[in-house]
This record gives sequence, C-alpha cells and structure tokens, in this order.
Amino acid sequence: SQKIEQNSEALNIQEGKTATLTCNYTNYSPAYLQWYRQDPGRGPVFLLLIRENEKEKRKERLKVTFDTTLKQSLFHITASQPADSATYLCVLSYNTDKLIFGTGTRLQVFP
Amino acid sequence: DAGVTQSPTHLIKTRGQQVTLRCSPKSGHDTVSWYQQALGQGPQFIFQYYEEEERQRGNFPDRFSGHQFPNYSSELNVNALLLGDSALYLCASSTGPSGPPDTEAFFGQGTRLTVV
Repeated sequence: SQKIEQNSEALNIQEGKTATLTCNYTNYSPAYLQWYRQDPGRGPVFLLLIRENEKEKRKERLKVTFDTTLKQSLFHITASQPADSATYLCVLSYNTDKLIFGTGTRLQVFP
Repeated sequence: DAGVTQSPTHLIKTRGQQVTLRCSPKSGHDTVSWYQQALGQGPQFIFQYYEEEERQRGNFPDRFSGHQFPNYSSELNVNALLLGDSALYLCASSTGPSGPPDTEAFFGQGTRLTVV
C-alpha cells in the first residue's frame, strides 16, 4: 500500500526565515498532491494542490514543488510568521476522491 | 455559508456502546467522506457517501457504518466501541463525482470521541 513519509520531528525556525517541509511517497505517483494545514483540535484546511504534470505551484507566501521522479514534494513558506505555526499534512489523491494523508510535520515559528 | 458542520464536538462513551456522529456538508457539495484521526497521526479514510450510497471504503471493520440523507447530510455509526476507537472523527465534503476531480475537500472541526 502507499506510504507517505513526512518528517515526524517538529521543525523550529525563526520568524522571517523560509520553512521547507518534505513529503516522500512510495509506489506510483498520485494524480494530485495536496497540502493541508491543521491546528490542534481542528480539521485540516486546504492550502495548495499540484498536479502530476506540474513542477511548481505558488500562492502568496507558499510554494509547492512536485518531482515524480524522486517521488517527493517540497512545501515552502517564505517570510514565516508565528501565525504559521501548525501541523502541515501532505496528501495524495488518485482520482478516486479518497485522500491519503501523511502523518504531518509540526512547524513552530518563534519570534 | 456555514461550511462543514459536525456534531457533537466532544463525546465520551463506554466500551461496547454504540455512537452516532453527524455531519452537514458545505452548501453545494453532495459528497461526504469520513476520516479517523488518532493522536499524532494523519487522518485515515473510513468511507465516502454519494447519492445516498457508500461509494468507497477504507480498511475499517463492519462496526463502522454510515448513511447519507437526501439533503446530503451524513451519519457515521460505530458499534461495539473499543478503546482504540478513541480519536478525532473528521467529516469532509466535496463535489465528488459531480464536480471536477482536482478540487479541495472541506473539513469540519471534527468530533472528539473518547472511549473509556
């Protein structure tokens, strides 16, 4: 079955720096790869979606890359702020509406 | 637009009991998916409902069942509760097969179920 690896250790960075989160997967590439943000005790919130034929997608301070050869996606937050502190989930989808979630990486941005 | 709403927000049940969780999808959405999220883990897909039928199912036992109503709202039922069923249960709505495949899912705030 598909396995998604995200760094289970928390990522601590200073405000203003760029945060980079990694998502690696096994087996075949998904049709779409998505990133969600989740705050404690809340449901995930959609951030960005990138298709298998796209290399990069940007939205404001966010950037996602997708390398189907490496089977990897990188998620970047530039000019990070304390309000960006949350858990970020990498999600794969294969045109079946079922979402396959990674375990998430907790990001802590300190002043 | 109220978005996806779930009820109740918290619930405590005893082993062996049965529980029903409820979800109202975002306006304009006809597909509801349920996920279980254990502490420190990512959400795991339970099943999806579309046109009042279970369309897909994850690797969950038959103790987990669901229903979708004509107004697209949905219920998740869990029978014979086990301690390991303690988790955050999330409902997600989308346009499903009736809409484009590459669209986001909208999640509710979840129901925190504790089995004691």
